[in-house]
Amino acid sequence: SQQGEEDPQALSIQEGENATMNCSYKTSINNLQWYRQNSGRGLVHLILIRSNEREKHSGRLRVTLDTSKKSSSLLITASRAADTASYFCATEGDSGYSTLTFGKGTMLLVSP
Amino acid sequence: NAGVTQTPKFQVLKTGQSMTLQCAQDMNHEYMSWYRQDPGMGLRLIHYSVGAGITDQGEVPNGYNVSRSTTEDFPLRLLSAAPSQTSVYFCASSVQGGSYGYTFGSGTRLTVV
Repeated sequence: SQQGEEDPQALSIQEGENATMNCSYKTSINNLQWYRQNSGRGLVHLILIRSNEREKHSGRLRVTLDTSKKSSSLLITASRAADTASYFCATEGDSGYSTLTFGKGTMLLVSP
Repeated sequence: NAGVTQTPKFQVLKTGQSMTLQCAQDMNHEYMSWYRQDPGMGLRLIHYSVGAGITDQGEVPNGYNVSRSTTEDFPLRLLSAAPSQTSVYFCASSVQGGSYGYTFGSGTRLTVV
């Protein structure tokens, strides 16, 4: 079963605007990761936040994690047309071996 | 480094045929895994391996076999293809613990007719 659920399912914005995507999950985690997938391509790792971290930045990306609410958000600032892609959150559980459980993704469309 | 290499990129099979999807990585990663991606379903874990000689089942293992004889290779075998196995298959690898994220291959688009 899916662990993460992204919200919204689809997001359409103009270049220069900020894009915020949310992810909720169900069980205890070791870390939460965000990936980008361009149409017809493989997934690319964007950023990882550990369960003892609350916020993390990487370039134009800002990720927050609230373990009490079992939720995370990904903010892309000053969006560009090249940011058009699907974005997935994935959680790594805190027991046993390292596997990722993915949500269904948010499709982001950035128009020029 | 080539990263994670998957072959073939596209494949059409007839129901009942068998085939092997190849996955190789050159990063000396211990962890390797296979996912399938279906529209509206996200990625679902099929099988994974934490090292050579060690494999385990994921969320949707039925109809698939894996083996891990070397650190570099993690092939996925479809035993008797069914239309329900039409999907895009991704192989991924990571260092132990996945603390630096996973590296994904570019995928194999499989159609079973």
